[in-house]
Amino acid sequence: QKEVEQNSGPLSVPEGAIASLNCTYSDRVSQSFFWYRQYSGKSPELIMSIYSNGDKEDGRFTAQLNKASQYVSLLIRDSQPSDSATYLCAVNSGAGSYQLTFGKGTKLSVIP
Amino acid sequence: GAGVSQSPRYKVAKRGQDVALRCDPISGHVSLFWYQQALGQGPEFLTYFQNEAQLDKSGLPSDRFFAERPEGSVSTLKIQRTQQEDSAVYLCASRLGGVYEQYFGPGTRLTVT
Repeated sequence: QKEVEQNSGPLSVPEGAIASLNCTYSDRVSQSFFWYRQYSGKSPELIMSIYSNGDKEDGRFTAQLNKASQYVSLLIRDSQPSDSATYLCAVNSGAGSYQLTFGKGTKLSVIP
Repeated sequence: GAGVSQSPRYKVAKRGQDVALRCDPISGHVSLFWYQQALGQGPEFLTYFQNEAQLDKSGLPSDRFFAERPEGSVSTLKIQRTQQEDSAVYLCASRLGGVYEQYFGPGTRLTVT
């Protein structure tokens, strides 16, 4: 059973702080990793993808991947109230299967 | 360009009724996925199409669930004899060939009463 684990939160951070969201996965052969943002009542929106070990930065977002530890994280710098949402970690194991396995999501609240 | 579209956005069905949910993927996206999202949970995979071929249906929860994509574009997810446990948001996602990113539609919220 492929599993993706996230702390459900809620995670509360003050406006302007760094929010750190974490995710672990069980399938060692997983090859691609994604972070989706989901506002209440809306569908998931892709914000970051990462495929190799290390950091990937896009604006205020940084994704970090450590395949040896089976760990992927998302940092949000200068957090804004508009970042308040549920963040879903998703993993694809490759090997011809393109389905995504999602965690339950971490709810982030950015306090003005 | 237009994103993934789904219809209807909301559907209320009485227990035992059949429902059909439609997905129109991003133009040119060869892969199409259906996911089910229960309240407070992450999406769970149901089935996957590459063009018109259904390559993976391992996530369909029962033989009451059926999906098709006959011309390799629009897809329909059909649920027969709906049960209360089928109440969820049904999400469709599409993917361009050669990349891994999937883009989701707005979803259909199904409520079975």
